[in-house]
Amino acid sequence: EIVLTQSPGTLSLSPGERATLSCRASQSVNSRYLAWYQQKPGQAPRLLIYGASSRPTGIPDRFSGSGSATDFTLTISTLEPEDFAVYYCQHYRSPYIFGQGTKLEIK
Amino acid sequence: VQLVQSGTEVKKPGSSVKVSCKASGGTFTSYGLSWLRQAPGQGLEWMGGVIPLFGTANYAQKFQGRLTITADEPTSTAYMELSSLRSEDTAMYYCARPGTDGAPGLEYWGQGTLVTVSS
Repeated sequence: EIVLTQSPGTLSLSPGERATLSCRASQSVNSRYLAWYQQKPGQAPRLLIYGASSRPTGIPDRFSGSGSATDFTLTISTLEPEDFAVYYCQHYRSPYIFGQGTKLEIK
Repeated sequence: VQLVQSGTEVKKPGSSVKVSCKASGGTFTSYGLSWLRQAPGQGLEWMGGVIPLFGTANYAQKFQGRLTITADEPTSTAYMELSSLRSEDTAMYYCARPGTDGAPGLEYWGQGTLVTVSS
């Protein structure tokens, strides 16, 4: 079974800065099936990226995804106050494993 | 597309819980509907899913034998029933499904149902 390891566990940055979040898979995955989610306290997760680099309608273009095989990255180009949340990567194939999450907090 | 889940549940250890997820907008039958959970302060865990068109469900190995997921086409409602509850099953339970373009990701989510297992 694939294991997804996210790093760092916590990232402390200020609004206006650039955020880079990592998701590493224990074995190569098809990038078509790599997704990223954002979750704020008390809310359901929100799909940010699918297929490693595609954004659903309505997701701001400051969110971008990249990577292939075992290494994937979510980049937030310029942090807005509403971007501080927990971010999860997911391998969108059964059993649909999630990484443990990266908490993005205000510095 | 909107997914609306049933309300908060408090259950005794050893009992069962059944949570519903009613879909509106979009096509109910064509897309897989997943159930996930999140224990307090923890990450996301996929439990299983169903494709209403086929009526077949698949489950994460961890929940085999204890989890039943069904879908009722006429009411566009999916159900998740978890039996032999224990305290570790205390969590927020979500239903979710892909977007209408079928892109590989869970674009639509229910609001969550809190299940508390306590004696």
